[in-house]
Amino acid sequence: AQKVTQTQTSISVVEKTTVTMDCVYETRDSSYFLFWYKQTASGEIVFLIRQDSYKKENATVGHYSLNFQKPKSSIGLIITATQIEDSAVYFCAMRDDGGYKVVFGSGTRLLVSP
Amino acid sequence: DMKVTQMPRYLIKRMGENVLLECGQDMSHETMYWYRQDPGLGLQLIYISYDVDSNSEGDIPKGYRVSRKKREHFSLILDSAKTNQTSVYFCASIPGQGTGQLYFGEGSKLTVL
Repeated sequence: AQKVTQTQTSISVVEKTTVTMDCVYETRDSSYFLFWYKQTASGEIVFLIRQDSYKKENATVGHYSLNFQKPKSSIGLIITATQIEDSAVYFCAMRDDGGYKVVFGSGTRLLVSP
Repeated sequence: DMKVTQMPRYLIKRMGENVLLECGQDMSHETMYWYRQDPGLGLQLIYISYDVDSNSEGDIPKGYRVSRKKREHFSLILDSAKTNQTSVYFCASIPGQGTGQLYFGEGSKLTVL
């Protein structure tokens, strides 16, 4: 069965610094998809970035990038040059290939202060 | 404009009452989801719908049922609501073969007294 684990409950950083959020996953499939989502204070959940398991290159979108370590079943989210508006809850998620079930981690709350 | 809309946004019910949460999407997405979110637990999958009248249980289906009679509309039904079903419920949809990202609605906050 799929499982996604985020052990960091909350992280506090000063703006303009870099932060890394951890995520480990469990799956029996050889092909799968990994996602990070952001939930803002208003409750809105938006997609940030995605990594397909068969791709060796780490995905990058704007100031978000991923650290994909397949042998460790790990997909870390890196946010560079953090901004106040990056303060939110970040969820890691996974979908096995061949299925439509998307499983989420418990989330990491990020607080970016001036 | 790609959008997932949930109604109502806020709902207060008494234990034992029936609850209907509705979700609509204007993207013709085949697959739709219902999740619930509780503090510290992330998003837990209740049901998946692959298309009209093609639904599958998620991880926590007990106490819930769903209905999908039109591709653009997916309902979550609580027959005789319980206090432990107080939560925020999110609907989401995914395009085509399901390899892309989820598009989420704004959430429906349900309080069962």
